[in-house]
Amino acid sequence: DAGVTQSPTHLIKTRGQQVTLRCSPKSGHDTVSWYQQALGQGPQFIFQYYEEEERQRGNFPDRFSGHQFPNYSSELNVNALLLGDSALYLCASSLAGGAKEKLFFGSGTQLSVL
Amino acid sequence: RKEVEQDPGPFNVPEGATVAFNCTYSNSASQSFFWYRQDCRKEPKLLMSVYSSGNEDGRFTAQLNRASQYISLLIRDSKLSDSATYLCVVPPPSGNTGKLIFGQGTTLQVKP
Repeated sequence: DAGVTQSPTHLIKTRGQQVTLRCSPKSGHDTVSWYQQALGQGPQFIFQYYEEEERQRGNFPDRFSGHQFPNYSSELNVNALLLGDSALYLCASSLAGGAKEKLFFGSGTQLSVL
Repeated sequence: RKEVEQDPGPFNVPEGATVAFNCTYSNSASQSFFWYRQDCRKEPKLLMSVYSSGNEDGRFTAQLNRASQYISLLIRDSKLSDSATYLCVVPPPSGNTGKLIFGQGTTLQVKP
């Protein structure tokens, strides 16, 4: 049973570019949440997708957008990259209505913006 | 005031030592609390859940003080393998599973 998988593992972009990160949830899960973790900080909630719609959103600008596909996989898109977007991007999957501790994280995508 | 606050450390302790981390939270309506462990730039993994006054799992004990709005994590007989960052997590009182509020994390380094 595969856990949460994310791709790519590492990515280097330059300022102003756009990036797409991908996530496949754990088998049986239908909800995907995205987090940004800057160096030395805890993960910060970006948004959550369920039934192909954004259900909750954290305090992130519109440059951050996402999508969920019918197979529950998800993409995170960031436009007009800034140096401050350099971070570890974590995807977490869960089952809607499930217990709060039943959240599983992928190993993340390390994004470096130069 | 931040929603979840932790002392970032680092805490440097010898093997066998007992170490405790504290975490304070701002939302008095919060009902559940978690400690996650994160190894260097890897994914966070659930260490312990705390729903009532406390929880114990082997060398690890988590305690909750609702009146003072803090939770603590105690690690006894520290091992080298305990070296990691420990994240205090407080989910919003309402809402579904996916949104968690993380503290900054406390770094522990256990030395021989």
